[in-house]
Amino acid sequence: DAGITQSPRHKVTETGTPVTLRCHQTENHRYMYWYRQDPGHGLRLIHYSYGVKDTDKGEVSDGYSVSRSKTEDFLLTLESATSSQTSVYFCAISETGQGATQYFGPGTRLLVL
Amino acid sequence: AQSVTQLDSQVPVFEEAPVELRCNYSSSVSVYLFWYVQYPNQGLQLLLKYLSGSTLVKGINGFEAEFNKSQTSFHLRKPSVHISDTAEYFCAVSERAGAQKLVFGQGTRLTINP
Repeated sequence: DAGITQSPRHKVTETGTPVTLRCHQTENHRYMYWYRQDPGHGLRLIHYSYGVKDTDKGEVSDGYSVSRSKTEDFLLTLESATSSQTSVYFCAISETGQGATQYFGPGTRLLVL
Repeated sequence: AQSVTQLDSQVPVFEEAPVELRCNYSSSVSVYLFWYVQYPNQGLQLLLKYLSGSTLVKGINGFEAEFNKSQTSFHLRKPSVHISDTAEYFCAVSERAGAQKLVFGQGTRLTINP
């Protein structure tokens, strides 16, 4: 298994509070991604990073920000959590190269009350 | 932009029967194609991918998929399923250039009945 951990694995929070999810890798891969998984939607890309301090938006980035100060860590912040952000969040990593496989972490289940 | 449609949200089959999970995609540029599997309460794991060359791709656990450019399809097949194949299956595409962001289909839940 690729060395990817996500923390926390489960979180319950209240509407309006900030939340930060962490993805940590031990593979030294260049690319890191945050997706959310919702029933009927599959997985949708929130943000991604192509290097330290290099990030860009994905399909569903509103209400989320990211930071990557070290190769191994990619943080996802919900600036002010809303009930619509209740979801399962997956981090993924991949090497540089055409058609490179993305390896997924175990996920974080977030409930916003 | 790309889009992926998985034509069946749920597929029930009996153990040892063949199965086909259907995937169609739309894209204005050339893409790579992927199938991922998600077992209950786990992350996603790559089953197989099509990059170039032979249109028939073999993956792990006895799965294979065929790329059909004219029909923009990438259907997943297995000749004989096992109880352990019960999972959700996702088809995905990525552009051949740039950050290779994945665009996923909605998923197909495969249920194997004894």
